[in-house]
This record gives sequence, structure tokens and C-alpha cells, in this order.
Amino acid sequence: AQSVTQLGSHVSVSEGALVLLRCNYSSSVPPYLFWYVQYPNQGLQLLLKYTSAATLVKGINGFEAEFKKSETSFHLTKPSAHMSDAAEYFCAVKRAGGTSYGKLTFGQGTILTVHP
Amino acid sequence: NAGVTQTPKFQVLKTGQSMTLQCAQDMNHEYMSWYRQDPGMGLRLIHYSVGAGITDQGEVPNGYNVSRSTTEDFPLRLLSAAPSQTSVYFCASSESGNTDTQYFGPGTRLTVL
Repeated sequence: AQSVTQLGSHVSVSEGALVLLRCNYSSSVPPYLFWYVQYPNQGLQLLLKYTSAATLVKGINGFEAEFKKSETSFHLTKPSAHMSDAAEYFCAVKRAGGTSYGKLTFGQGTILTVHP
Repeated sequence: NAGVTQTPKFQVLKTGQSMTLQCAQDMNHEYMSWYRQDPGMGLRLIHYSVGAGITDQGEVPNGYNVSRSTTEDFPLRLLSAAPSQTSVYFCASSESGNTDTQYFGPGTRLTVL
């Protein structure tokens, strides 16, 4: 079985500051990892995904994440926050291959607030 | 190309009532799934389908039924609504379900009184 822990249910940054959202996973087999963003009253939208290729993954809107197997982490970063980044962010994991199909396991979510 | 659509957007039920949440996708995706979202708990998988005629249970299937008679549609049925089923429900689809991106619908906000 796999699980995801997002450290910090709320993160607040100033506009222009570094964004760091933390995600640690637990998986008995090599995982695929995803970050999704949810804007208010909308569905989830994929930001980026790691599927065992490059460990540094670049996504949309200037976000990137690095897969660190030794730390079982997949933290999301953005060098300079913008007001439009305010949203809830979810880290998710699924087991690579096998019959797990698209069964994602989500973290609890982190609400990002950006102050002017 | 509408993507994943869900109806209704909002619904209020009384305890014991039944209803069906509709989900449709026009991307010819094989894999579809239903999640519920509750504060502080992320999204939890209710049921999923890997193709027409094939469904299986997810993490929290009790109180819900699904069927998949066509590739496009994947309705979720609440058999006898309970206050614990108050939640936001999301339908998602993907081409194959492995590394492919899951596309989410806009959600249905359900309140059970």
C-alpha cells in the first residue's frame, strides 16, 4: 500500500517569495508521483508528474518538483510566487505498473496563500 | 471538446433518499473514477472502471454503486443517503490509468440533511 503526507495544511508566502510545498510518500514499490492544483470551486488540474524518468520534473506555471528516493520526498517549488498561485495543492502517489491502473492516493492538501 | 462533465453541481438530499450523480467524458478514455473530497482528508477513491462493463471498488465504496454501460458515462448512485455522505464528489478520466494524466470534472457538492 502507498500513502502520502503533506507537511503543513496551510502555507503563506509573500508575492515574489519562494514557494515550497512538502510531500513525503510511502510505497513498497517504485511509485509514480503527481502534484495537482485546485482553484476555488473547480476540479483538480495536473501541475506535473514523475514517472521514473528525470528526477527533476518541470510543470506548468513555473512549478517544479524533485524526486528524492533516499528521502522519499517529492517537494513542489516555485522560485517566485504570484498572486494567481493561491490555491490548494495536492500530492498524489500511485504504484508503478501492475494492475493499480489509475488508483491515486492523495495527500491531505496544502492551502497556499500569497500576500501582496 | 467538453472534457469531463458532472451534473448536478449542487444537490441537497434528506437522509434515506437515493440519487444518481452523473459523469460523462468525450475523450474516449478507458479509465474513469469517482472520488470524494472532505476537508483535511484530500481525495479518496470510491469506485473506478477500466472500461465499459468493468468496475471495481476503491478505498471508500460503502453506500455507493456504479455501472459502466458505455465508454462515455460513469454514474454514481447513492442508495440511501446518510449525513456522512455530505461531501464534494469528483469524477475523473484518463486514457489508460497508468502514467496518464487524470482529468477531473468540476465536482458535485452534495449535502445530506
